[in-house]
Amino acid sequence: EVQLVESGGGLVKPGGSLRLSCAASGFTFSSYSMNWVRQAPGKGLEWVSSISSSRSYIYYADSVKGRFTVSRDNARSSLYLQMNSLRAEDTAVYYCARENYHDSWGQGTLVTVSS
Amino acid sequence: DIQMTQSPSAMSASVGDRVTITCRASQGISNYLAWFQQKPGKVPKRLIYAASSLQSGVPSRFSGSGSGTEFTLTISSLQPEDFATYYCLQHDSYPLTFGGGTKVEIK
Repeated sequence: EVQLVESGGGLVKPGGSLRLSCAASGFTFSSYSMNWVRQAPGKGLEWVSSISSSRSYIYYADSVKGRFTVSRDNARSSLYLQMNSLRAEDTAVYYCARENYHDSWGQGTLVTVSS
Repeated sequence: DIQMTQSPSAMSASVGDRVTITCRASQGISNYLAWFQQKPGKVPKRLIYAASSLQSGVPSRFSGSGSGTEFTLTISSLQPEDFATYYCLQHDSYPLTFGGGTKVEIK
């Protein structure tokens, strides 16, 4: 069974940093691209970033470009999102999702940016 | 960037109704489109992939159609558990983009 488990969310002040993790199991992690998607409270889904299976291709939404960095460790079956210079508008539940067609999602981790 | 315009943004319907939700892409995306259902406080669940393929385990009352720029999600006979918000996602090119969502409420 495919499992994705996010962690690392929490309360952070504007301008601060946070690192999210997504632990994968139940499939060959190194064979799949992975994504981060977020959802602000009461709002819709927003794609944040994608990384290809071999890390050769990395993409970001304009809203996070230059502030967020996606990475992965295929040996540990883990996906990461380093978030710097956080803003109030980054407050959201952050999900990791498998492949561009997003067939499997984690349960999400809440990031709250507030002073 | 490809914009996904989803309509309606909200609707009221009764159990047993036929419901149709539309997503329009600002440029052609072939069939690189998926549909998701999200209930309050829950994780999005994929219903349809490749525009018209039913995800395993999803009831057959859900169907998807379309190609290019116009796509529809149809629920043939709305059930109580179908009241939720629905999103489309284009994964033809980056940045990936979701539609704005359609909230299906009980009439």
